[in-house]
Amino acid sequence: NAGVTQTPKFRVLKTGQSMTLLCAQDMNHEYMYWYRQDPGMGLRLIHYSVGEGTTAKGEVPDGYNVSRLKKQNFLLGLESAAPSQTSVYFCASSYLGSSYNEQFFGPGTRLTVL
Amino acid sequence: KNEVEQSPQNLTAQEGEFITINCSYSVGISALHWLQQHPGGGIVSLFMLSSGKKKHGRLIATINIQEKHSSLHITASHPRDSAVYICAAPYSGGGADGLTFGKGTHLIIQP
Repeated sequence: NAGVTQTPKFRVLKTGQSMTLLCAQDMNHEYMYWYRQDPGMGLRLIHYSVGEGTTAKGEVPDGYNVSRLKKQNFLLGLESAAPSQTSVYFCASSYLGSSYNEQFFGPGTRLTVL
Repeated sequence: KNEVEQSPQNLTAQEGEFITINCSYSVGISALHWLQQHPGGGIVSLFMLSSGKKKHGRLIATINIQEKHSSLHITASHPRDSAVYICAAPYSGGGADGLTFGKGTHLIIQP
């Protein structure tokens, strides 16, 4: 099993460009999450999904959109990238919610917006 | 939103020492998570616990639900334990899910 994978691993964007980060899991997990990690701050929740076809906002959702068309995939989109979105992005998944199961994390995507 | 505080922020110790990292949170929860972030950046879950104590090898996690406090202990520390250790609590209220994280404890074990 590959666990949780993220594509791409690194990306450099110019301000205003768009991109999509892909997260895939092969553990049949219902819940999937997108977090961002910035220096000096803890990980912060961007969006999450409790099942195929559902998404919900987290702590810092502005400037991002997500989709969960298939159970195994969770996409994070940046429509018009800004330098403030320079960060490391982690995807995670769990069988049930945060109060019940541990989360499995992907390796991260390092995004730089110039 | 649950506020999660960790201490210390940085910790340097000698190989073999007993290590303690503390975590406190502001809102009652049903489970607390401890994670490890490797120097290369990868994050793995170490423990999820809702009461008492759990042990995996040289790692021990304890939680006191009434005091809203948890500790992570490492016995017989080794340089390979050098990493960032992160405490996280589930969001509470409003049916929201996901974790809220402490800022992490950067641990260095010197040979």
